[in-house]
Formats: sequence, structure tokens, C-alpha cells
Amino acid sequence: QLQLHESGPGLVKPSETLSLICTVSGGSMYSFNHYWTWIRQPPGMGLEWIGSVFYAGSTYYNQSLQSRVTISIDTSKNYFSLQLSSVTAADTAVYYCARRTYDGWIDYWGQGTLGTVSS
Amino acid sequence: DIVMTQSPDSLAVSLGARVAINCKASQSLLHPTTNKHHLAWYQQKPGLSPKVVISWASTRESGVPDRFSGGGSGTDFTLTISNLQAEDVAVYYCQQYYTPPRITFGQGTRLEIK
Repeated sequence: QLQLHESGPGLVKPSETLSLICTVSGGSMYSFNHYWTWIRQPPGMGLEWIGSVFYAGSTYYNQSLQSRVTISIDTSKNYFSLQLSSVTAADTAVYYCARRTYDGWIDYWGQGTLGTVSS
Repeated sequence: DIVMTQSPDSLAVSLGARVAINCKASQSLLHPTTNKHHLAWYQQKPGLSPKVVISWASTRESGVPDRFSGGGSGTDFTLTISNLQAEDVAVYYCQQYYTPPRITFGQGTRLEIK
């Protein structure tokens, strides 16, 4: 059974960079049929797609975050990562890593990790 | 970007009742290459990650009770829950995947028991 697990600092200061890692177990990341994806959910609010990465390294970002986001992947070590720069309080959210099917829906989610932006 | 708008934002329904949650897309989700509607529904129970319940607007995922059904076409879609059970309390989201890998979600509909 595929499992995804987010890790990283829970607290980041304003203007700094939020860095998270998603470790994938129970399956290979080397897949033509999936995109590895980050989604976030501010407290009490809805879901926002941040971006996705294909196993070969091509990346796709939400236009509203594109200037601040970097997603990378290391299939040999079974993880992918998120970096969000110049964070503000508005970036406080639960960050989920997930697997997206080639067609387009999310079939596996991590449990989520709270990233708080505060001085 | 395709904007997804759900209605209502929240509702409270009696056990055993039938529930309808609506989702409207800013453009048709019927894709010319697949001839399918590129829409999914998710259930997010309190404190948990979302879980897909419906894909292709009407295909129930494996293990999802048959009281869940999806319908609609073009820009207007509905998630229907028949015979509401206590374990169905959750926030429900629709999501379009017409323009992959970019995806967008509705704002969510909170379902409670009356």
C-alpha cells in the first residue's frame, strides 16, 4: 500500500523559506501514470493546488504561487520536496503531499503537516 | 483557471435523508478527447486527509458505499448521498481536472447531521 509522509520545520519566520519533504514508501515514484503533488489547506479553509512534478523532473505550478515555489524530485531516494520562499502569515496552512493520477484526481494523500509562519 | 463554485456552503440534514451538493464550473468539463467529464468529488472527515469518492463525474471509487452517486454534465454537477449516515459527516469538495496537471477545487460544502 502506497504511503506518503510529510516532514519539515513546523514554524517558519516571515520572509524566510518553507521547506518540506515528502517521503514515499510502498511503491515506486518512477511512474508514467502519476504526478507527485503538493496541496495546502489554510486553517478552516479549502484546498489549494500548489504544484506537481513528474518523475522525470518536469514541474507545473499554480500561477498565483509560481514566483515563490520550487518542487523537486529524487526518485532514487523516493522523495520529493517543496520550497516556498518569502512566506507571510497567509502561507500558514496544512501542507499535503499527494499522488495525482495521470488523468487528474488525487488517489493518495499524506496525513498533512502544519506549516506556521510567525515571528 | 477554471473556477469551481459549490453550493450550499453548509447544510444540516437528518439521518436517513437524501442530500444533494452542487458544483458549478466556469467552463464545460466535457473534454473532447475523452468525451468524459473531468470532475472528481472528495470527502474530508474532521482531522483527516481528503479521500476521493467519485471520479469522471459519476464513477464511484472502490470501497465507496453505493449511497454515494455523482451526476451532471457540462458545467453543473451534483454529489448525492442517499440514506445519510452519521459517518458521512464531512466537508465535500469538487475538483476539476480538465486542464491537467493544473487542478482546482471548489470551496467545500460542510455536511452535518440535524
